[in-house]
Formats: sequence, structure tokens, C-alpha cells
Amino acid sequence: QQQVKQSPQSLIVQKGGISIINCAYENTAFDYFPWYQQFPGKGPALLIAIRPDVSEKKEGRFTISFNKSAKQFSLHIMDSQPGDSATYFCAASIRSGTASKLTFGTGTRLQVTL
Amino acid sequence: DSGVTQTPKHLITATGQRVTLRCSPRSGDLSVYWYQQSLDQGLQFLIQYYNGEERAKGNILERFSAQQFPDLHSELNLSSLELGDSALYFCASSVDLGGTEAFFGQGTRLTVV
Repeated sequence: QQQVKQSPQSLIVQKGGISIINCAYENTAFDYFPWYQQFPGKGPALLIAIRPDVSEKKEGRFTISFNKSAKQFSLHIMDSQPGDSATYFCAASIRSGTASKLTFGTGTRLQVTL
Repeated sequence: DSGVTQTPKHLITATGQRVTLRCSPRSGDLSVYWYQQSLDQGLQFLIQYYNGEERAKGNILERFSAQQFPDLHSELNLSSLELGDSALYFCASSVDLGGTEAFFGQGTRLTVV
């Protein structure tokens, strides 16, 4: 059972445009939602994260929008640049005092064209 | 550079063999996680250790085992390897049990032939 569904699978955006990647989760116990960026041959790198007590978090050109009632969250990349071309993964976890694991979406391959 | 070091970067081995993947977490991080990334399964959580103790288990096969040593480095042992075990294996670390701000290493690409 896939607990975090991510779409689209791939995305092509022109330079300067807005890239939007969406994720939906099923487990209402999730309380931490990070986004990871992965370049070819590299490990995933934490980009930005949100907790469900806020509806939006912005860091530079990256914004997470969170809708708790709909169990959805999304990543917006403003003024997309060719250097943003990478695979993006949403994830979710349950913060616990005893253990934790990240459940990842299937990834979105973003290509930003000139 | 995330500060998480994985060795080796690449590994080619035959079916039926056993390999050991090594991970050194970031300085100060007590939690170590292992993930498998394959084309058809995406990023899958395998196991978590915290300060030497196993804390969470995911989709880890019985042929696979892991441990975390007193110096906090971790090893993932894969035995009786099958072609389907070919994948990228990532180690991640975080300072706490909660797994927030997990930092990933660059991975070990395992190819089973």
C-alpha cells in the first residue's frame, strides 16, 4: 500500500516559470513532511519541511503548501532555474520518541528548459 | 556534502555472494537509517538504529542484516544475493530518534550479476 502518492511523474517547465509538485498521504498520524531533492549520482538532500500545524512554509524560491483536511501537500518552485533540474521526492513520517522512518513518494523528475 | 560517508561507492558481485556496505554518520548523529532505491520500488526504508540499538524495521529481507557499532558507524550486510537486489543503498543519519532533518550519504550502487 502506497502511503504517499506523488504527481506528476515528470515535469518540464520553462526557465522563470513555476514548478508545482503534489503529494497526498493516507496516514493521519504523519506529522512531518519533508521534500528532498536528488541529483543524478547523489543522495537525496533535504530541501524544505513542514509540520501540520502550519499551512505554508517558504524558504527562498521554495514553498510548501499544506492542506491537512485534504491530506495533501505540495512544493512550489518559483522562478525555476535550469539548476533546479533534478528529481524531487516528498516524504512523510511520524515523529516519535522511540523510532522513525520516512515514507517517500515515487518522485518527480523536473526538467527546467532555457 | 552531507557529512554522511558511505563506502564503497560501487560494488559489482555475483549472485549468491555476500557483501557489506559501510556508513559513517554525521558527527554527533546517533540515528542511522538504511534505504534501498530501485527503479521499480522507489526509496524504501529498510532499518533504523539509534545509539547501537535497532529501533525500526521496514521492508528488509531476512537475507539482509545491519548493525551499528559503538563508534556509531553502521554496516548493512546483504547475503545470498539475487539479481533483484541490484539497487542504490543509501544511509542517512539524524541527531535524534524522530528522524527529522535526516541527511543522506551518496549511496552505494550494488550490481548483482
